[in-house]
Amino acid sequence: QVQLQESGPGLVKPSETVSLTCTVSGYSISSGYYWGWIRQPPGKGLEWIGSMFHSGSTSYNPSLQSRVTISVDTSKNQFSLRLRSVTATDTAVYYCAREAGGSGSLDFWGQGTLVTVSS
Amino acid sequence: AIQMTQSPSSLSASVGDRVTITCRASQGIRNDLGWYQQKPGKAPKLLIYATSSLQSGVPSRFSGSGSGTDFTLTITSLQPEDFATYYCLQDYIYPRTFGPGTKVEIK
Repeated sequence: QVQLQESGPGLVKPSETVSLTCTVSGYSISSGYYWGWIRQPPGKGLEWIGSMFHSGSTSYNPSLQSRVTISVDTSKNQFSLRLRSVTATDTAVYYCAREAGGSGSLDFWGQGTLVTVSS
Repeated sequence: AIQMTQSPSSLSASVGDRVTITCRASQGIRNDLGWYQQKPGKAPKLLIYATSSLQSGVPSRFSGSGSGTDFTLTITSLQPEDFATYYCLQDYIYPRTFGPGTKVEIK
């Protein structure tokens, strides 16, 4: 069974960079699929942040593209999200997920991690 | 980017009711649409992919239909565990875009 688990700091100061890691078990990232990040501000809907193929090619939400980097570490079976210059509007639960082959649907999700931006 | 809309934004229904939620894309997306269920404090769960294919383990009372720009999620005989928020997601093109969600509440 594929499992994903997010990790990272729960609290970040404005203007800093938040780094989150998604650890995958039950499947080797280097075997394929796209791997992505989605976020959800408190009480609001879902926002797709970006995704990457195991080889390293990426796609990002244009609204965040200037501040986001997604990368992969196949040796650790992890992929990561870096979001720079954060503000209070970046406060959200951040989820990692796998994009299913073929359909592109997000078939496996992590449980999510809350990132709060506050001084 | 493709814009996704959903209607209604919320609805009240009783156990046993038939519920229909619609999703509309701002341009054609073939059948590249999925439906997700989210309960409070939990990650979203994939219910339907490619418009009408049921994800493994999802009860058959969930079904999806549509193509192009207009899509529907139907729940026949609503069960207590179905009270949740439902989102559509277009996976036709990047950037992926979600609908704003439909909250299904108990009447």
